[in-house]
Amino acid sequence: AQKVTQAQTEISVVEKEDVTLDCVYETRDTTYYLFWYKQPPSGELVFLIRRNSFDEQNEISGRYSWNFQKSTSSFNFTITASQVVDSAVYFCALSEFSRDNFNKFYFGSGTKLNVKP
Amino acid sequence: GAVVSQHPSWVICKSGTSVKIECRSLDFQATTMFWYRQFPKKSLMLMATSNEGSKATYEQGVEKDKFLINHASLTLSTLTVTSAHPEDSSFYICSARDTPTSNNEQFFGPGTRLTVL
Repeated sequence: AQKVTQAQTEISVVEKEDVTLDCVYETRDTTYYLFWYKQPPSGELVFLIRRNSFDEQNEISGRYSWNFQKSTSSFNFTITASQVVDSAVYFCALSEFSRDNFNKFYFGSGTKLNVKP
Repeated sequence: GAVVSQHPSWVICKSGTSVKIECRSLDFQATTMFWYRQFPKKSLMLMATSNEGSKATYEQGVEKDKFLINHASLTLSTLTVTSAHPEDSSFYICSARDTPTSNNEQFFGPGTRLTVL
């Protein structure tokens, strides 16, 4: 079963619009970490945020905000007032705190965001 | 922050040749390194996990003899694609983790784009 689901394959918005990228995860562990990464056309992954399972406080960083809801196993990412530079593929990832699997990452399929001027 | 480099950043080779990709942690000791493969417009798929001084653990479906991984030191892991064929063309990304107690965070390299002619 897929551990991380990003149902939105591609989203197109016009600059200055707000956009939310969805992420739903599945795990039996009580301790786990969730991540968001940005992958611009260059290919290099850019770390955006890490959240552990015990911290459900939502976070805001500039135009970025994250909504962690354990009750629905979701970790959604919102970009406010989107800009063309936000155009990229965004990946959500889960890492379970299991010493047996070396804390490996499970990536979602990614959401391609197109921000048009 | 922790920096991971990869070399080369891109490589083009003829079918049948072997290609070695290096992954280095520049400012920390990486007890565990991961190798991912990413096809165009697809997600990152974990290929293998390597711990310094021991054999790599390969994911199901990944050919061990095809993709040789060596993690000989705490700062270097190599992936060798043996007898490469066009279907091995892909974007290969490595990541490194410092200690088992870190926040499950992995630091990603910039990736290596392999094209097999």
